[in-house]
Amino acid sequence: AQSVTQLDSQVPVFEEAPVELRCNYSSSVSVYLFWYVQYPNQGLQLLLKYLSGSTLVKGINGFEAEFNKSQTSFHLRKPSVHISDTAEYFCAVTLVTDSWGKLQFGAGTQVVVTP
Amino acid sequence: DAGVIQSPRHEVTEMGQEVTLRCKPISGHDYLFWYRQTMMRGLELLIYFNNNVPIDDSGMPEDRFSAKMPNASFSTLKIQPSEPRDSAVYFCASSQDSGTLNQPQHFGDGTRLSIL
Repeated sequence: AQSVTQLDSQVPVFEEAPVELRCNYSSSVSVYLFWYVQYPNQGLQLLLKYLSGSTLVKGINGFEAEFNKSQTSFHLRKPSVHISDTAEYFCAVTLVTDSWGKLQFGAGTQVVVTP
Repeated sequence: DAGVIQSPRHEVTEMGQEVTLRCKPISGHDYLFWYRQTMMRGLELLIYFNNNVPIDDSGMPEDRFSAKMPNASFSTLKIQPSEPRDSAVYFCASSQDSGTLNQPQHFGDGTRLSIL
């Protein structure tokens, strides 16, 4: 079975500073990888996904992530955060064979952006 | 384009009462998922449907929980009788069946359930 580990439960960051959220996965077969964001009192929204091709994936709101197969990682980055990026971020994985998208989520990383 | 719609947004009820959560998936989506989110356990998949048929309910915590999908545009998650430990945010999500390439799940805004 696959699993996802988000190494940081909370990441404080100053406005306009860069941020990196770490995600490692474990799977014996090929996977697809996702990052979702959850703003307060809302559902999850897809930030970006890696399915195949270029290992550097760009998503919405200036976020990007890099798939590293050898390190089984999919870290999320943003070069300059805004106050509005305060949210919880979830890394998720699904098996390539599961085309309908059964997701295994990480525990989440709370990002708190302060002025 | 309407997203996944859940109702109610908030529900407060007393222990022992029946609770019904509702979900309208995005039109044309073949898969529907019910999740529960708590501080202790994070996001847990409870059950999912494909073309209105329950496929995997192994995440349903116990017999007090049941879910139905009578048609392609509506699903319910019912808890009877409810207990305080059922307090959580319940999310519904839907996705398309691409057949070949993974499609992301689209989430509703959730129902915040409090059992007193």
